[in-house]
Amino acid sequence: DAKTTQPPSMDCAEGRAANLPCNHSTISGNEYVYWYRQIHSQGPQYIIHGLKNNETNEMASLIITEDRKSSTLILPHATLRDTAVYYCIVRVSRDDTIIFGKGTRLHILP
Amino acid sequence: DVKVTQSSRYLVKRTGEKVFLECVQDMDHENMFWYRQDPGLGLRLIYFSYDVKMKEKGDIPEGYSVSREKKERFSLILESASTNQTSMYLCASSLTGFGANVLTFGAGSRLTVL
Repeated sequence: DAKTTQPPSMDCAEGRAANLPCNHSTISGNEYVYWYRQIHSQGPQYIIHGLKNNETNEMASLIITEDRKSSTLILPHATLRDTAVYYCIVRVSRDDTIIFGKGTRLHILP
Repeated sequence: DVKVTQSSRYLVKRTGEKVFLECVQDMDHENMFWYRQDPGLGLRLIYFSYDVKMKEKGDIPEGYSVSREKKERFSLILESASTNQTSMYLCASSLTGFGANVLTFGAGSRLTVL
């Protein structure tokens, strides 16, 4: 089972890019990297996922290193509404269901 | 806009009561999930279902049961609520196959058992 390591918390100034790191050194070759976030008192929200190549959508960019042992989620222009807990997930159970870790609490500072 | 709707945002029940938590999705998703979330423990999977009338135990199924009689509806049942089941309950759904791990969550149901 692949596991992730994320910093417990980070700060980012409003308007700046927020770069959230994730280490997953034991990831298997066919395991995807998923990112979710959870704003206070709401359900988690899917952000993005990727396998090898960098990915971008309307919410964020995902940069995966060539050896796939780490990745970075980038919110290009952080706003106060991006304050949330961000989960990096590569671990999939025997039933192929994703498993959430503790995540990174991102504080966007005005 | 795709949606997962949980019937109750807040519930207060007494120990021993039977509790139904309802979840409905309008995306024609095959997979549905029930998680609970507790401080310090994160999200833990209770039950999931890959199809109508099918159910699979997650990591913490004890004290819970589920029902999936229709594709769009997945119910979580606490036969006899206990105080240690006070928690935030989150329902989610996803497509099968490649999109199976892209979950859409509901807003959550916060249950307090007195």
